[in-house]
Amino acid sequence: EPEVTQTPSHQVTQMGQEVILRCVPISNHLYFYWYRQILGQKVEFLVSFYNNEISEKSEIFDDQFSVERPDGSNFTLKIRSTKLEDSAMYFCASSAGTGSGNTIYFGEGSWLTVV
Amino acid sequence: AQSVTQLDSQVPVFEEAPVELRCNYSSSVSVYLFWYVQYPNQGLQLLLKYLSGSTLVESINGFEAEFNKSQTSFHLRKPSVHISDTAEYFCAVSGSGTYKYIFGTGTRLKVLA
Repeated sequence: EPEVTQTPSHQVTQMGQEVILRCVPISNHLYFYWYRQILGQKVEFLVSFYNNEISEKSEIFDDQFSVERPDGSNFTLKIRSTKLEDSAMYFCASSAGTGSGNTIYFGEGSWLTVV
Repeated sequence: AQSVTQLDSQVPVFEEAPVELRCNYSSSVSVYLFWYVQYPNQGLQLLLKYLSGSTLVESINGFEAEFNKSQTSFHLRKPSVHISDTAEYFCAVSGSGTYKYIFGTGTRLKVLA
């Protein structure tokens, strides 16, 4: 069964450093997403991406964050200057479409620890 | 705005007993409702979903959920749980006009032998 894959599974970084989290969405999907889950809290939407541009973003997704689809297969999340509160599990997801009938499929997550 | 409430953070239950995990939502538009399961050290997997039509939806591993519009609920049930059902369960809501899912805080189901 096709799946969303994410790398790295776990990354430790120093505060202020840039981090790039990588994702390979399901190959025929057109919509891509990043969610995050701070330890012990709910899964939160960060951003959705379609047709090479951001289609929706949350208030969490500030200027420190950016997303990119550098080639036909990868979808990346960049955090420019990490803060302690960025420590979380980051989930990449993809879907064939939106709305009724278009299920979002999630990767296994990238656990980011900022020290 | 949409929101999801999962009142139970943890639910311990003995093997072969029935279980209900509660989910309530609020939304001003038509909703689509989902239950996702997260096994230890794994990602989020779709368990079942309600989009339209029959209010009772079932998964392949014996879970079911019923969409109740008047009570704004989408509770997850299983008549007899197994040790392998131990996981965290997340309820989520989406709706027309948005790309995003809103998740609840999750319910940790622990099945005891």
